[in-house]
Amino acid sequence: DTGVSQNPRHKITKRGQNVTFRCDPISEHNRLYWYRQTLGQGPEFLTYFQNEAQLEKSRLLSDRFSAERPKGSFSTLEIQRTEQGDSAMYLCASSLSESGGANYGYTFGSGTRLTVV
Amino acid sequence: GQNIDQPTEMTATEGAIVQINCTYQTSGFNGLFWYQQHAGEAPTFLSYNVLDGLEEKGRFSSFLSRSKGYSYLLLKELQMKDSASYLCAVRNQGGKLIFGQGTELSVKP
Repeated sequence: DTGVSQNPRHKITKRGQNVTFRCDPISEHNRLYWYRQTLGQGPEFLTYFQNEAQLEKSRLLSDRFSAERPKGSFSTLEIQRTEQGDSAMYLCASSLSESGGANYGYTFGSGTRLTVV
Repeated sequence: GQNIDQPTEMTATEGAIVQINCTYQTSGFNGLFWYQQHAGEAPTFLSYNVLDGLEEKGRFSSFLSRSKGYSYLLLKELQMKDSASYLCAVRNQGGKLIFGQGTELSVKP
């Protein structure tokens, strides 16, 4: 297993365009998380899935953001009508659920850096 | 509410010891994590505490006091490569990690 994989690594888009990012988690991990991180800040929770079910969405996540995990494996995060304030690093992480053991911390992907111009 | 506080930045000298503090107030507690993040890279796992006390792992140690809502990360024998951001994160009962803003550590020769 090569860990958590995110594509693309970098994305530059014009304001108003739609973008989609992909995350492939560690295969045996049933939980998948999306975070957003801006310069000088810690990761900020966006949403998470257990298998294919989206269990929680942050109140910060506007209607322009949508995430899916259709088969409980990879996930996509789409941002519609991008704004300059969406510029950030988008991090994906995966983990086992609580029943999977005592130390079920996250493994992060390398992130997708989005720049909206 | 949920609040995790850690210093914004710290500076230390190569070979020295540095302690990075973290205080937290969260609704539900199910463990505290420390991650290291180099600029432009993903956070990487350093340590995990769920019971009070000290966990030692090579040059890095982490301490937790649940009654005080307090943790620290201790880095010994600092090396230049330890210059990075150190993130304190609390896991809630649902398994979600809530991160502090991170402490930017600069190690000087």
